[in-house]
Amino acid sequence: EAQVTQNPRYLITVTGKKLTVTCSQNMNHEYMSWYRQDPGLGLRQIYYSMNVEVTDKGDVPEGYKVSRKEKRNFPLILESPSPNQTSLYFCASSMGAAANEKLFFGSGTQLSVL
Amino acid sequence: LAKTTQPISMDSYEGQEVNITCSHNNIATNDYITWYQQFPSQGPRFIIQGYKTKVTNEVASLFIPADRKSSTLSLPRVSLSDTAVYYCLVALYAHYGQNFVFGPGTRLSVLP
Repeated sequence: EAQVTQNPRYLITVTGKKLTVTCSQNMNHEYMSWYRQDPGLGLRQIYYSMNVEVTDKGDVPEGYKVSRKEKRNFPLILESPSPNQTSLYFCASSMGAAANEKLFFGSGTQLSVL
Repeated sequence: LAKTTQPISMDSYEGQEVNITCSHNNIATNDYITWYQQFPSQGPRFIIQGYKTKVTNEVASLFIPADRKSSTLSLPRVSLSDTAVYYCLVALYAHYGQNFVFGPGTRLSVLP
């Protein structure tokens, strides 16, 4: 089954403790992206990747890192999480970045930073 | 990137047709218009996409006037399960640029 898999589904951590949220897709997609969703703000893009070893900042990249060493994986890294990073996170992928591409989303990771 | 404007929320009753309009005044020639649906605690999922005129699939219809400055998502005979947030997305491919930027969306509540 074609899917985007995120782990974990829920995560509670404390300020400053490094964490990684994993994202994997099995559709051989070139484009992958991370979003955060906060009440009233919709989805805001954190980072995106056009292909292996090619990443760039989205709208809200501060406090996050990503890597794209393999085509299927695109982990989101929070080196020193802070409470303002408490949010619902989504990973997405598409075949490419053309205007008519369709995004496929993971089920989300609810992160709470205490 | 074309900026989109949608109503923040809408209410409807079961069995009614719902039309959600999105404004994108500065849409560019190469832009497509795509709609996504999001249920609580789930990721958005693709509903429909169009470039001009009308597109219909098993879920919805999308109406795009000739000037393409707006688009209307039409959901026929909604049910309670159509309660969700609907996002209008106008995405332009740039050779190496940011795209797929979502706005706040329209929260549709379907009442019995």
